[in-house]
Amino acid sequence: NAGVTQTPKFQVLKTGQSMTLQCAQDMNHNSMYWYRQDPGMGLRLIYYSASEGTTDKGEVPNGYNVSRLNKREFSLRLESAAPSQTSVYFCASSEFSGGAADTQYFGPGTRLTVL
Amino acid sequence: GNSVTQMEGPVTLSEEAFLTINCTYTATGYPSLFWYVQYPGEGLQLLLKATKADDKGSNKGFEATYRKETTSFHLEKGSVQVSDSAVYFCALIITSGTYKYIFGTGTRLKVLA
Repeated sequence: NAGVTQTPKFQVLKTGQSMTLQCAQDMNHNSMYWYRQDPGMGLRLIYYSASEGTTDKGEVPNGYNVSRLNKREFSLRLESAAPSQTSVYFCASSEFSGGAADTQYFGPGTRLTVL
Repeated sequence: GNSVTQMEGPVTLSEEAFLTINCTYTATGYPSLFWYVQYPGEGLQLLLKATKADDKGSNKGFEATYRKETTSFHLEKGSVQVSDSAVYFCALIITSGTYKYIFGTGTRLKVLA
């Protein structure tokens, strides 16, 4: 039982390059999330998918796109990377986004640097 | 709007010292409250939670009580260990209207042997 896995762990991009961050969960959770973590800012929600086939914008969606490929997988794409997107990216999943005690399970993160 | 405010860190303590990390919130309705912990190089993991006023969440010697009158959810531990060194995040979930999970900025704890 691996929980939430993310690839890659580290990535360096040049401004304007594109890349996709991959996330998968094996807990049969309905909901999945992408966050970014910046110093002094806590975690900010980029996009989430409440259930397979749906996606919604979070607090900071500009410059990103997502795909809920199936129930297990939720990818985050940067079409044209900018230095402001240098951050640590976390994927998370939960059984159901809406429950009063909904616990989120996090992956180990991807550290992205955009030069 | 909805928000979570945590005390600034870093907090540096000696082993076996008493720990308090303050957390206050602003929210519409009746949110559930959480503490998550992030160990170096890892993702966040749930430490404890409380879903209604006066509930006490507890785990691994940590405790926090949901205080509606003071809109607070302070994290406490009676005797910290070096292995407790981590970043601690307070969070709340809003379930009325649009789903929202809001995290505080995190408080770094360093425990010295």
